[in-house]
This record gives sequence, C-alpha cells and structure tokens, in this order.
Amino acid sequence: QVQLVQSGGEVKMPGASVKVSCKASGYSFTSYGISWVRQAPGQGLEWMGWISASNGNTRYAQNLQGRVTVTADTSTTTTYMELRSLRSDDTAIYYCARVDVIVAASDSWGQGTLVTVAS
Amino acid sequence: ENVLTQSPGTLSLSPGERATLSCRASQSVSSSYLAWYQQKPGQAPRLLIYGASTRATGIPDRFSGSGSGTDFTLTISRLEPEDFAVYYCQQFVGSLWTFGQGTKVEIK
Repeated sequence: QVQLVQSGGEVKMPGASVKVSCKASGYSFTSYGISWVRQAPGQGLEWMGWISASNGNTRYAQNLQGRVTVTADTSTTTTYMELRSLRSDDTAIYYCARVDVIVAASDSWGQGTLVTVAS
Repeated sequence: ENVLTQSPGTLSLSPGERATLSCRASQSVSSSYLAWYQQKPGQAPRLLIYGASTRATGIPDRFSGSGSGTDFTLTISRLEPEDFAVYYCQQFVGSLWTFGQGTKVEIK
C-alpha cells in the first residue's frame, strides 16, 4: 500500500533551518509528485511547494519563495523540504502529500512532522 | 493570486441532515483542478473529491461535488457521526496550489 513516512519532530531556534524528510513506498515514485503543506496550530492548510519526482521541477508558494527548497532523491524515494531563516510563526505541522499530476490532487499524505520554533 | 473563499465558516447540523459547503474562487478555476479534503482532529487531510465531482477511492456516495468556473459545492447528503470534521477546497492554477480557509461541520 502507498505509504509516506515523515521524519520526527524538531525544535529549532529562530533564524535556524530545518529539513524534513518524507520516505515514499508502495508505488512508482517517479509517476507522481510530492507537495508540502503546513498547518499552524489551530489554523488551516497552507500549500508550500511541490516537486515533480519524474524530472525534479519545483514550484513554491510566493510567500515562501527564497526560504523553502524541496528536493527528491529517486534512489531512495525520499523527498526533503528545507525551510530557512525560521521564525516563530513557522511553528506548524508539516505534511508531505503525493500528488496525482493528472488531476493535481493529493491522494496520500504523510503523518505530519511538528516543527517548533522557539528561543 | 486566485483566492478561495469557503462558506460558511462553521456549519452546525445534526446527524442525518444534509450539509452544503461552498467554495468560491476569485478567478475562474478549471473544474479538472478543484479538490475537496476532509480533516479530523489530529489527523492528516484525506482526499474526498477531485476534478470538482469525482469521488476519490473509498469515499462513500453520500459525498458529492459540483460546480464550475468560480463556484463549487460539496454536499454531504446525510451526515454520519464520522463526517463531523473540517473541510477544505483546493485549486491548482498557474502551477500553484491554494487552499480555502476551511468549513467546520459540527454537531448541533
């Protein structure tokens, strides 16, 4: 079955960087994309960016451009999301999600990774 | 930027009632790229509907989606206890995705 397993929670200082991983299994990795979505405490979903696993093309939300980078390693079927210059309002649960590129919808999700930014 | 506005913010209904959730886009959205998700507390979102009206695998037929252009609707024909959750619409426009702010369906 399709599984997306994310790395564990992180606590970071303001100004630091965090890198969250998402290991995919149970499907043809390069036939789908991976999106990253975050959710601040008590808030809604915010799309951050995505990567095409077939060719490595990326797109990012305008408000995060320059601070976020998404990469994919096809040899390990793992996707990474790095967020730099962390601020307290980056505290959130970060999800990876498989993207069916035909319908541009996310049909499988990771379990989420809590990133806490605090001094 | 194409903004998605969901209404109402909260819907208070009883089990067995019909729920109608609205998602309005500030610019036209291709029906092929409008999706709905359900999220329960402490869980990741779950895809319900894609292409505005196609149910995802395993989604009961009490969930239906409709609409085109700038106005889309998610309907739950008869609410079951497990349907009380937050629902988000999502669009894909200009190679970017955005979510609506969500509608909470709560037990009356």
